Parts: sequence; C-alpha cells; structure tokens
Amino acid sequence: AQSVTQLDSQVPVFEEAPVELRCNYSSSVSVYLFWYVQYPNQGLQLLLKYLSGSTLVKGINGFEAEFNKSQTSFHLRKPSVHISDTAEYFCAVTPRGADGLTFGKGTHLIIQP
Amino acid sequence: DTAVSQTPKYLVTQMGNDKSIKCEQNLGHDTMYWYKQDSKKFLKIMFSYNNKELIINETVPNRFSPKSPDKAHLNLHINSLELGDSAVYFCASSQYRSGEQFFGPGTRLTVL
Repeated sequence: AQSVTQLDSQVPVFEEAPVELRCNYSSSVSVYLFWYVQYPNQGLQLLLKYLSGSTLVKGINGFEAEFNKSQTSFHLRKPSVHISDTAEYFCAVTPRGADGLTFGKGTHLIIQP
Repeated sequence: DTAVSQTPKYLVTQMGNDKSIKCEQNLGHDTMYWYKQDSKKFLKIMFSYNNKELIINETVPNRFSPKSPDKAHLNLHINSLELGDSAVYFCASSQYRSGEQFFGPGTRLTVL
C-alpha cells in the first residue's frame, strides 16, 4: 500500500513571494506522482505530473515540482504567487501499472496581499 | 465541451432515502472512478471501472452501488442514506493505468 503525507495543512504567503508545498510519499513499488489544485467549490485540476524522465517537472500556472526518489518527496514550488493561487493543493500517488489515486490531506495555500 | 460532467451538482435529501448521481465523460477514456471528499477535504477512492468491469472496490458500505452502462458513463446509487454520507462525490476518468485522471466538478450531497 502507499501513503502520502502533506506536511503543512495551511501555508500563508505574501503575494509575489515564493512558496513551497511539501509532499512525501511511501510506497514499496515505483509510483507516478501528481499535484492537483482545487479552487473553492470546484473540482480538481491537474497542475503537474511525474511519470518518468526528468525529475524536475513543470506544470500550469507557473508551478513546478521536483521528484526526489531518495527522500521520497515531490515538493511543489512557485517563484512568485498571486492572489488567484489561493486554493487547496493535493499531492497524489499511484503505483505504476496500477490504478486509483491515493491523496494527501491537502494544503490550503493562503495568499496575503 | 465539458470533459467529465456530473449531475446533479447539489443533492439535499432526508435520511433513509435512495439517490443516484450520474457521471459522463467525453474523453474517450476506458476507466472511470468515484471518489469521496469528506468535510475535512480528504479524498478517498471508492470504486474504479475499466471497460464496464469493476476493478477497485474499496471498503465502502454495500449501500453504495456503482453501475457502468458503457465506458462513457458511471453512475453511483446510494440506498438508505445516512448522515455520514454527506460529502462531495467526484467522478474521474482516465486511460487504464496511465495515471493521469480527469475530474468532474463534484456533487455535494447533504443528508438531513
């Protein structure tokens, strides 16, 4: 079985400041990794994914994440946040060749003007 | 065009009632899912169907019964609704084992 830990339930950041949302996972097999964003009262939108290849993955809206196999981490970063980035961010994992996502508990990103 | 759609968006009902939520995807995917998001926003998979065949059936009360009439549709029927069933239910679709899933807008179920 696999698990995902998002270390911060809430991250307040000033507008135009950089941000990092942390995600660690546990799995006995190789995995695919994802970050999803959920804006208030909306569904989940894929920000970025790591399937294979380069460990630095770029996504939509200026976000990027780095896969670190030795630390079993997949932290999400953005160099300069905007008010519109206020949302809930979910890290998720699925074993390669399997099905169904296991989600972390989410990190609420709060952008302060 | 909406890729994954769900109806209804909101559902308010009394305890003990039976209700259904419908999901449709127009992405040509062969696998569909139901997830439950609780009041603390925790997301957990409930079911997965591949080509109309049940693949994942997590520990979910048997009051919940998914039905897939074809690859593009996955409905969720809930019998004898309980207060604890109140949640947001998300449908998703993907190509089997590709990893990337596309989510619908969710159905907020409130049981009174």
